[in-house]
Amino acid sequence: EAGVAQSPRYKIIEKRQSVAFWCNPISGHATLYWYQQILGQGPKLLIQFQNNGVVDDSQLPKDRFSAERLKGVDSTLKIQPAKLEDSAVYLCASTTQPGNTIYFGEGSWLTVV
Amino acid sequence: QKEVEQNSGPLSVPEGAIASLNCTYSDRVSQSFFWYRQYSGKSPELIMSIYSNGDKEDGRFTAQLNKASQYVSLLIRDSQPSDSATYLCAVNVKGAQKLVFGQGTRLTINP
Repeated sequence: EAGVAQSPRYKIIEKRQSVAFWCNPISGHATLYWYQQILGQGPKLLIQFQNNGVVDDSQLPKDRFSAERLKGVDSTLKIQPAKLEDSAVYLCASTTQPGNTIYFGEGSWLTVV
Repeated sequence: QKEVEQNSGPLSVPEGAIASLNCTYSDRVSQSFFWYRQYSGKSPELIMSIYSNGDKEDGRFTAQLNKASQYVSLLIRDSQPSDSATYLCAVNVKGAQKLVFGQGTRLTINP
């Protein structure tokens, strides 16, 4: 069974530029998460989707971050404009339903300079 | 109060000893608890899940849950250098709608 796929793996951009990350969850997983993990910290939930609806986006900086999951499968996370403090790993994860084990992709490493 | 709290460490344990990692949480209605291991530069991988009070054993790993005291722990027996990693505690909160992670405990096993 294929795991959670993410791209790109690495991205370096200048501040005020934009970047987009893509995630393809495990087949059949209705719940999809985007987490931000800053070096030395635990993952912080940015947004959670159930199919193509948003369950929780309370910690998503909506002035610069946006995410969508239009067909209930793939998802895209966008940052525009990027700030230095956005340098982090962006982890996509999925599960069959909330409460069950979630599985992570390899992450997208963002460096903002 | 943070929703999930862990001692960030670092925790240093000699090879062959028992490593004990602790986690407390604030949401009394939480029902699902997970321990993830994260090697440097890698994404988290699941070690254990636990849903009921008591102990759950899987090989060298034992998860312990005490809902009354709102803590969950992970014991690693016969610690190996390959166990050196950051261990993340994760708890479902708000009626299992949201999975929250602690800040992680960095564990080093010394040969």
